[in-house]
Amino acid sequence: QQQVKQSPQSLIVQKGGISIINCAYENTAFDYFPWYQQFPGKGPALLIAIRPDVSEKKEGRFTISFNKSAKQFSLHIMDSQPGDSATYFCAAKLQGGSEKLVFGKGTKLTVNP
Amino acid sequence: GAGVSQTPSNKVTEKGKYVELRCDPISGHTALYWYRQSLGQGPEFLIYFQGTGAADDSGLPNDRFFAVRPEGSVSTLKIQRTERGDSAVYLCASSPQGVVDTQYFGPGTRLTVL
Repeated sequence: QQQVKQSPQSLIVQKGGISIINCAYENTAFDYFPWYQQFPGKGPALLIAIRPDVSEKKEGRFTISFNKSAKQFSLHIMDSQPGDSATYFCAAKLQGGSEKLVFGKGTKLTVNP
Repeated sequence: GAGVSQTPSNKVTEKGKYVELRCDPISGHTALYWYRQSLGQGPEFLIYFQGTGAADDSGLPNDRFFAVRPEGSVSTLKIQRTERGDSAVYLCASSPQGVVDTQYFGPGTRLTVL
């Protein structure tokens, strides 16, 4: 119940294409859903986040789509660039609980030039 | 400004030894988090401090793992009688008000237990 399931495990996209990464959860008590970007040898960095009271959030080329009834959320990277090549993690936090995050297993994105 | 720093960046030890991993949070951040990231996996929560006290230590795997933050700033993660399965990258993060929305991660310490 505390898991966040992420897919695909890896993704290869051409420059300029759209990258889509999906996550699903079971626990309806999750109330905060961030996406993190991690480059090799670095710690994860917050990319964009959403709360369940909205269905979509956009920041530049990055968009989160949130489907509360399906308990799914996804990250869309528009006009993907080689510099976007990294590992992406979805995560979730329990409402009213500890400030800890539960992470998915990650998606390794490769954007070919 | 300086981000979260962790030392050492790499630590190689032998099975059964004791290790200490240090985290220096961003100045003024009251909350500090430890996560463990195994190869090919997402970060796994270990413990979270609000000030000097552990607000949630539910992720510590067993009593070989212990963490302290005596002055509400620097934190040390201590692992006794290390096992090969402890090999991972140990990540530290801090946030200014204990709110996960503003959680900043350090680069991690790669621990290898031979």
